[in-house]
Amino acid sequence: DTGVSQDPRHKITKRGQNVTFRCDPISEHNRLYWYRQTLGQGPEFLTYFQNEAQLEKSRLLSDRFSAERPKGSFSTLEIQRTEQGDSAMYLCASSLGTGRYGYTFGSGTRLTVV
Amino acid sequence: GQQLNQSPQSMFIQEGEDVSMNCTSSSIFNTWLWYKQDPGEGPVLLIALYKAGELTSNGRLTAQFGITRKDSFLNISASIPSDVGIYFCAGRRETSGSRLTFGEGTQLTVNP
Repeated sequence: DTGVSQDPRHKITKRGQNVTFRCDPISEHNRLYWYRQTLGQGPEFLTYFQNEAQLEKSRLLSDRFSAERPKGSFSTLEIQRTEQGDSAMYLCASSLGTGRYGYTFGSGTRLTVV
Repeated sequence: GQQLNQSPQSMFIQEGEDVSMNCTSSSIFNTWLWYKQDPGEGPVLLIALYKAGELTSNGRLTAQFGITRKDSFLNISASIPSDVGIYFCAGRRETSGSRLTFGEGTQLTVNP
């Protein structure tokens, strides 16, 4: 499978715990994106990387959120001290270059904070 | 928050009917994209549009990039049950780099 892989698919955590999600992009894609999608809404941009450099962060990405892409391949998104409002689908996508022809999304990680 | 207004929010149609949905914005976009999302999955790209007035087809799907660059339309002809899902428009502005702005989606239900 050469698509975008996300792990885990589902995560249930207690409020206040830290969680980390992983994304493996399509291997030749140099750009990697994180989006968040809440129920009944479209995806909202969080951040993106070109290779290992984080080039842009949304205001949605509070101090409790951090994303890394240490070797320009896979990426991790960590949420510290989770809150119920963090419950959402976290989508990763990748593209070759600027993504002019659209991104390829993964299947997402569904986070539920209880 | 969302800057794209997508309508209708939901549609219930009979198999074989044609479907139209649209997306409007107060901002100019230089790229419009249409995605379909199935439950529990990520969005899948259907059609990409790059020029004002452009009309592009992908099988039974046809999308148009509005002349004003502030809107886009998606038509599905002769709907079938597997067309069920949520359809999202997404736009990219010149000033927003690679960032996409998504609409709120149109939930399509097709009755056999």
